[in-house]
Amino acid sequence: SAVISQKPSRDICQRGTSLTIQCQVDSQVTMMFWYRQQPGQSLTLIATANQGSEATYESGFVIDKFPISRPNLTFSTLTVSNMSPEDSSIYLCSVPTGISAYGYTFGSGTRLTVV
Amino acid sequence: GQNIDQPTEMTATEGAIVQINCTYQTSGFNGLFWYQQHAGEAPTFLSYNVLDGLEEKGRFSSFLSRSKGYSYLLLKELQMKDSASYLCAHSTSGTYKYIFGTGTRLKVLA
Repeated sequence: SAVISQKPSRDICQRGTSLTIQCQVDSQVTMMFWYRQQPGQSLTLIATANQGSEATYESGFVIDKFPISRPNLTFSTLTVSNMSPEDSSIYLCSVPTGISAYGYTFGSGTRLTVV
Repeated sequence: GQNIDQPTEMTATEGAIVQINCTYQTSGFNGLFWYQQHAGEAPTFLSYNVLDGLEEKGRFSSFLSRSKGYSYLLLKELQMKDSASYLCAHSTSGTYKYIFGTGTRLKVLA
């Protein structure tokens, strides 16, 4: 299955600033997904990052707040813009392993704390 | 709509067997997944069911009943390292999108 390198692993940021999270995959994948996991909760899909076209956002998430780049089939970034304490979460990228039976591979996650 | 329910917390003893249940509602179904997530780490894949029945994989087994919208994860011979959150998720036919439950936090006691 794919190996994902995600960074930073954690950061503490001031409110009003922005943070860009990077995910590098060791193989080419058509789709890459960005999730948020708020404290004590499960994973919520933010958007699907598509190579060569704009990301597809889920209900409740907008491009101005979470701009996504996908310059090629192995790399994507998620920016958390104009942060507030409510954005404190773990952010994870993931890719399909290519075989439905094996689900997703997840990056190691970025633990964001906004102060 | 789409909804997944699983218990919030469970406690079991080392060496015992525990069953974690998951019920779901979806307009389109394409498989049921179980993931394990240790505190502070990313989720890791445990099992996948798309047809009714039991899938066994070592100490872990997963069961699915599509007509009942029900699945369970069975953990045998519990070990301390099995203390983690267990996430139930289903995928929607025609997409790679997955809906995750809130997870069941399992504590294994000595």
